Amino acid sequence: ELKVEQNPLFLSMQEGKNYTIYCNYSTTSDRLYWYRQDPGKSLESLFVLLSNGAVKQEGRLMASLDTKARLSTLHITAAVHDLSATYFCAVKTNQAGTALIFGKGTTLSVSS
Amino acid sequence: NAGVMQNPRHLVRRRGQEARLRCSPMKGHSHVYWYRQLPEEGLKFMVYLQKENIIDESGMPKERFSAEFPKEGPSILRIQQVVRGDSAAYFCASSPGLAGGLGGANVLTFGAGSRLTVL
Repeated sequence: ELKVEQNPLFLSMQEGKNYTIYCNYSTTSDRLYWYRQDPGKSLESLFVLLSNGAVKQEGRLMASLDTKARLSTLHITAAVHDLSATYFCAVKTNQAGTALIFGKGTTLSVSS
Repeated sequence: NAGVMQNPRHLVRRRGQEARLRCSPMKGHSHVYWYRQLPEEGLKFMVYLQKENIIDESGMPKERFSAEFPKEGPSILRIQQVVRGDSAAYFCASSPGLAGGLGGANVLTFGAGSRLTVL
């Protein structure tokens, strides 16, 4: 059974500082997704990482994937208040006919 | 191009009643997924469907819950004899093909969710 673990689950950040969220998963996969959710809202796709060593960047967010370590990171550079949200990673196994399995999410709160 | 449409957005039911949640996937998407989100928790996979077929229902509770995606019309998640523990946000997502399958990223697009409250 695929397990996806994120840490930390809660992160209180100061504006301007850098932080990293970690996403570990338990079985072989080469497809990992990051989503953002604002309170009371739906999930918005941020990044899709499709191969070992993949790195994607959008604004202050950068995601990377190490399939050998079964680890993805979401790095936040110079945090700003607008980044306050819950961030989920999701993984799909290489087995056909299976859906994405999500981590519990990391709730970020950026304060000045 | 309308996204994933879910309705109702909010539903209140008394214990023992039935809840029906509907999901119309994005145009061109033939795969539908239902997830449940409880307060302070992540998204729990429930069921994955294609038209007229259930592909993976490993996350569905064994009793009271059922899902369908008929040839015509939206996907329906049905909860019979609701209990307070069923109160949650239910999200539907769709993709053009197998999520993360060969040939592309097949990113899941999520609907706005249906929030069920059981009194």
